[in-house]
Amino acid sequence: DAGVIQSPRHEVTEMGQEVTLRCKPISGHNSLFWYRQTMMRGLELLIYFNNNVPIDDSGMPEDRFSAKMPNASFSTLKIQPSEPRDSAVYFCASRLSYVDYEKLFFGSGTQLSVL
Amino acid sequence: RKEVEQDPGPFNVPEGATVAFNCTYSNSASQSFFWYRQDCRKEPKLLMSVYSSGNEDGRFTAQLNRASQYISLLIRDSKLSDSATYLCVVTHNTNAGKSTFGDGTTLTVKP
Repeated sequence: DAGVIQSPRHEVTEMGQEVTLRCKPISGHNSLFWYRQTMMRGLELLIYFNNNVPIDDSGMPEDRFSAKMPNASFSTLKIQPSEPRDSAVYFCASRLSYVDYEKLFFGSGTQLSVL
Repeated sequence: RKEVEQDPGPFNVPEGATVAFNCTYSNSASQSFFWYRQDCRKEPKLLMSVYSSGNEDGRFTAQLNRASQYISLLIRDSKLSDSATYLCVVTHNTNAGKSTFGDGTTLTVKP
């Protein structure tokens, strides 16, 4: 079975450019999460979806960040315009459902560097 | 105050040592608890779930104290391969399954 697939693995861009990160969850999973990880702030929850509907986006840093899930097999996280402080590893994770003790499965992450 | 807090460590222990990590959470509505392991530059992976009755998986024992709102992880007879960051995860189903991670505790096991 394919796991959570994220692309690109690495992204280097210049300040002010638009960045789009992509995620394909595990087939059949109904919940999808976007996390950001830095040394200073740890693993932060940005937004999550259940059945393609955004449930909580309170972790999205500011209006420069947006996320969509147009269907059950695809999600994007967009940063426009990007800034150097956005440099981090962005992880996507999916889960079968939100009943008790369902596990999260992570993609390999996107290492974003904004110069 | 963060919703999930862990002692960041680092914990540096010799092979064969027993080491314990604690994690506290602030939302009493939390319902599911896990320990994840993260190796350097890799994604987090599930180590074990943590149940109210406590549970064991080989050298690893996890316990949950709902009254005090903390969970723990005990590693016995530690191996070099146990060196990693251990992340505490709390899910509360009142918010449709929001899963929050602690910042992690770093363990280094030395020969």
